[in-house]
Amino acid sequence: KQEVTQIPAALSVPEGENLVLNCSFTDSAIYNLQWFRQDPGKGLTSLLLIQSSQREQTSGRLNASLDKSSGRSTLYIAASQPGDSATYLCAERGNYQLIWGAGTKLIIKP
Amino acid sequence: DTGVSQDPRHKITKRGQNVTFRCDPISEHNRLYWYRQTLGQGPEFLTYFQNEAQLEKSRLLSDRFSAERPKGSFSTLEIQRTEQGDSAMYLCASSLSVSEKLFFGSGTQLSVL
Repeated sequence: KQEVTQIPAALSVPEGENLVLNCSFTDSAIYNLQWFRQDPGKGLTSLLLIQSSQREQTSGRLNASLDKSSGRSTLYIAASQPGDSATYLCAERGNYQLIWGAGTKLIIKP
Repeated sequence: DTGVSQDPRHKITKRGQNVTFRCDPISEHNRLYWYRQTLGQGPEFLTYFQNEAQLEKSRLLSDRFSAERPKGSFSTLEIQRTEQGDSAMYLCASSLSVSEKLFFGSGTQLSVL
């Protein structure tokens, strides 16, 4: 059974810090990996998508990396802001389905 | 087209009643997914359509659940004889292709009393 793990489950950092969120996956035949943001009681917003042939993707203050050999992806957030507070989920795609992590709840303290 | 829309946003029902949710994907997206999410967990896959064809259905989905996408555009998810364990956020998502980003609606929060 393919699994995706996100550690830590929760993270609290002061505003302005750079931070890294981790995502580990067991699927060696990964097709792509996406990072999502979810605000409380809301749907999910896609942040970055990395194809299996890519190593990283960048959007603004966000940078996501993918290392298939180690089964890891990281989401780097630069110069964190209180508005970045949310739950961040990663999901890897094998076939039709996405396999999801349980998320990291991020709190940025002003 | 502003994105994926779901209706209703909230649904409260009594155990044993039937409920139906609607999802309107982004217009040019031929792939449509239904997920269920409970508090503190990642989304759980329910079913997937490519155009009007339902290509995969989770084994976790009992026969009380049915989904349709009759013309390859909007989709409906029906739950018959609801149970308290069905209480969750039901999320719909769409994408242009398997290699493209998945776009989610805001979800329908179901509470079964």
